[in-house]
Amino acid sequence: DAGITQSPRHKVTETGTPVTLRCHQTENHRYMYWYRQDPGHGLRLIHYSYGVKDTDKGEVSDGYSVSRSKTEDFLLTLESATSSQTSVYFCAIKGAVAVDEQYFGPGTRLTVT
Amino acid sequence: DQQVKQNSPSLSVQEGRISILNCDYTNSMFDYFLWYKKYPAEGPTFLISISSIKDKNEDGRFTVFLNKSAKHLSLHIVPSQPGDSAVYFCAASGRGSSNTGKLIFGQGTTLQVKP
Repeated sequence: DAGITQSPRHKVTETGTPVTLRCHQTENHRYMYWYRQDPGHGLRLIHYSYGVKDTDKGEVSDGYSVSRSKTEDFLLTLESATSSQTSVYFCAIKGAVAVDEQYFGPGTRLTVT
Repeated sequence: DQQVKQNSPSLSVQEGRISILNCDYTNSMFDYFLWYKKYPAEGPTFLISISSIKDKNEDGRFTVFLNKSAKHLSLHIVPSQPGDSAVYFCAASGRGSSNTGKLIFGQGTTLQVKP
C-alpha cells in the first residue's frame, strides 16, 4: 500500500469556519492531488501539486486553497466552509512523470452544518 | 460537461458469471485510461489501465478493452466473485507536454455480485 495518510478522517464544522485537511505521504512522490467525491459526480480534482510550492487549480477549485511547503505534506484549506463543501475528500499521489496511476489515501469525510 | 461518463449507476451479476462495466469519453486528447475500485469508507484502489496505443489489456480476471473510434472502454471481470462488489470508476488522462497526471473520472458504477 502507498504510504498516504489523511487527517482528520472525519470532521463536522459550521458554515463560515475555516477548515484545513492534511495529506501526508512517505513515498517522496512529486505529484499530489486533492479530489472530492460526491454522488453522481465521481471524483473531481480540486487542486494539485507538482513539487514543493508548485500548485495549480483543478476543475472545482473555487472556495479552496492549497499549500505544499514540504514534499511529504499537501494541505487543503476551506477558508470559509459552506454546506456545498460537505463531501468526502481524497488525497492522491503519483510518482514519475511517465506513470499515470495515482494512489489514494483513505479519505476525510467533512460535514458542514 | 462530463468528459467521462459511466451511464450505468449499478450492475448486479451472479457469482461466477461475467461482469461488464462500460465507460464512454468525449475528449479525443485522452490517451490513457484507468479503472479504480472503491469499497465503502476506503480510498479508490488502482485496478488496471490501458494506453491508447492498445485495444486490450489483461490482468488475471480483469480485462480492459478500448475502442478508440467509438470512444468507449469496458472492464470485464471473469469470473465475478462476491469480493468484487464495490464501486468502479473509470478515469482518463491526456499526456500533453507536462503530463501533470490530472485524471478525469466517471460517475462510478456500483457492482453487486450475488453468491
